[in-house]
Amino acid sequence: DAKTTQPNSMESNEEEPVHLPCNHSTISGTDYIHWYRQLPSQGPEYVIHGLTSNVNNRMASLAIAEDRKSSTLILHRATLRDAAVYYCILRANSGYSTLTFGKGTMLLVSP
Amino acid sequence: GAGVSQSPSNKVTEKGKDVELRCDPISGHTALYWYRQSLGQGLEFLIYFQGNSAPDKSGLPSDRFSAERTGGSVSTLTIQRTQQEDSAVYLCASSPKGQYGNEQFFGPGTRLTVL
Repeated sequence: DAKTTQPNSMESNEEEPVHLPCNHSTISGTDYIHWYRQLPSQGPEYVIHGLTSNVNNRMASLAIAEDRKSSTLILHRATLRDAAVYYCILRANSGYSTLTFGKGTMLLVSP
Repeated sequence: GAGVSQSPSNKVTEKGKDVELRCDPISGHTALYWYRQSLGQGLEFLIYFQGNSAPDKSGLPSDRFSAERTGGSVSTLTIQRTQQEDSAVYLCASSPKGQYGNEQFFGPGTRLTVL
């Protein structure tokens, strides 16, 4: 699977927007971009995924660069509960595909 | 509805003992995955089940590790002759089918400590 690069950590203030970047310069044409997050002492949870177009759901937005070599997860208003490790993962377009987790970005949210 | 459940939530064992970890996936989910997360590390894939068969066991670290799934539902991960380096949180996930694009739903994990 192609590799992703994320900053080790980011900080935000509560109720401010957060933009979490991810670089994936070796992405293949059929790789989906997935984001998961892991709150302290919990299993990971799905956030959002996309292929080419920007995506929105109740949790976040995903902005994908036109060349697909980078993407940004956008939390529109950070809350204390959003403090977690955020993982950007490329998932191959195959009959099945596991998730290959990197180190992710630890998001710290201050009140 | 009920999510993925795992038991026990915590397991402390002595080096050399065998342990069994259980995963109950979401009802109807055909794909099931086992991962482990060592302290301060990312998640490491162990094994994938589609139904009762395991087409990908490539992540199992040694032959001391094995897993089975019965009835297309419950899965058990067995570690024989545990070693201290086996200490980790073992996470199970399920998804409606194994194809790309389908999110994986994770359980809370089993924290294994080998003394």
